[in-house]
Amino acid sequence: NAGVTQTPKFRILKIGQSMTLQCTQDMNHNYMYWYRQDPGMGLKLIYYSVGAGITDKGEVPNGYNVSRSTTEDFPLRLELAAPSQTSVYFCASRGERGNTGELFFGEGSRLTVL
Amino acid sequence: AQSVTQPDIHITVSEGASLELRCNYSYGATPYLFWYVQSPGQGLQLLLKYFSGDTLVQGIKGFEAEFKRSQSSFNLRKPSVHWSDAAEYFCAVGGGNEKLTFGTGTRLTIIP
Repeated sequence: NAGVTQTPKFRILKIGQSMTLQCTQDMNHNYMYWYRQDPGMGLKLIYYSVGAGITDKGEVPNGYNVSRSTTEDFPLRLELAAPSQTSVYFCASRGERGNTGELFFGEGSRLTVL
Repeated sequence: AQSVTQPDIHITVSEGASLELRCNYSYGATPYLFWYVQSPGQGLQLLLKYFSGDTLVQGIKGFEAEFKRSQSSFNLRKPSVHWSDAAEYFCAVGGGNEKLTFGTGTRLTIIP
C-alpha cells in the first residue's frame, strides 16, 4: 500500500534556487495538505486543497506555491529559496470532509537551504 | 482562532510505568481532537480521535485520552509504557473547517 508518497526525501538548495516537492496519493482523497515542521514548533500548515482545481492558504504560505490539477497530485513549489525555508515538509491527505477523518502523512522531505 | 498547547516539551518515564501527556486547546465550539505519534524519520500516525459521544476514547497501541470540556483538555494516557512507545506525540484540534492545528509536540523517552 503506497498511501502518500513524497519526493525527494532529502535536498540541499542554494539561496535563490527554486524547486518542487512532489506529493502523490493513491487513496482517491479529496483533501490534501502541506505542512512544515521545525524543531519545537510543531507542524504549521502551508497550503491545502479540498479537491482538484481548488487550493487555499494556510498559516505560513509566503514563499510557496501549490497547484492541484489532479486528485492524486499536490506539488509544493518553492521560489527563490531562503534559509528560513530550511525545514522538514510533510504532505498529508484525508478522505472525509470536516476534519473528522484521519490524516495520512507521507514520510517527509528534508530541505536545507544554504 | 484555534490553538493547542502541549506544556511538556520532553518527558522521560521508565518502561512499565504509567504515562500522561497533557494537551490543552482553545476552540470556540465543540472541537475535534486528535493525538498523533511520530517515530524518528517518519510521518505522523493517528493514535486516536474525539469528536462526539463518550469522552473517554480508546486508540491504538493501548493509548486512551479523555476529553474534559470544563478544563479544555484532552490528555493522553497509557497504563504501562513499552520501549517502542518512545516517539514524539502531537495533539491537534480542528472544527468544521478543513484545517487542523497541531501543538508543538512532546518527546517521550523511555528508560529501561
